[in-house]
Amino acid sequence: QQPVQSPQAVILREGEDAVINCSSSKALYSVHWYRQKHGEAPVFLMILLKGGEQKGHDKISASFNEKKQQSSLYLTASQLSYSGTYFCGTEMTGTASKLTFGTGTRLQVTL
Amino acid sequence: DVKVTQSSRYLVKRTGEKVFLECVQDMDHENMFWYRQDPGLGLRLIYFSYDVKMKEKGDIPEGYSVSREKKERFSLILESASTNQTSMYLCASSFPGRSYEQYFGPGTRLTVT
Repeated sequence: QQPVQSPQAVILREGEDAVINCSSSKALYSVHWYRQKHGEAPVFLMILLKGGEQKGHDKISASFNEKKQQSSLYLTASQLSYSGTYFCGTEMTGTASKLTFGTGTRLQVTL
Repeated sequence: DVKVTQSSRYLVKRTGEKVFLECVQDMDHENMFWYRQDPGLGLRLIYFSYDVKMKEKGDIPEGYSVSREKKERFSLILESASTNQTSMYLCASSFPGRSYEQYFGPGTRLTVT
């Protein structure tokens, strides 16, 4: 079952902040975040592991609430280059390497 | 830099044709994946492979098969293409085990008429 992402779309002015949420009904081992610009391949941003370890981007932060099986991606002081579709991919306990992706959040940053 | 390449960016096939989509990675990754991407549905896993000649079904394997004869190459096969298989197909690869990032290819947009 795909994780649920919210919001589906958001429009920001440059410099504003945004939060993208990802929620699963399954017990999670980790949450991955990817960004896909129009016409391009998805690119890795960050992994959040059970237990609190994070690996990834130095200008984007995220959290992982293991009890609620939820993750949030925090985009602060947004730049035009942040525009794209953001996907969370959830790795469930017992399914090593396999990710189930959400339906995506489309982010547009304007001047 | 990791490079994942796919044989075609655009492909047009007729209903009933056998279609091969090829993916090659140059980072010696054990894991390789095939996804399809449709508007509003995100990325959905078709098949993945964790070693040569090893494969596992993903979430939507119906109508597809795969082949992995060499570590660097993973092929997706549509035995008899149908119009509902018109989609963007993305290949990805990663190191084995838990929690390694996946590297994606540029995608193949397949249209079945």
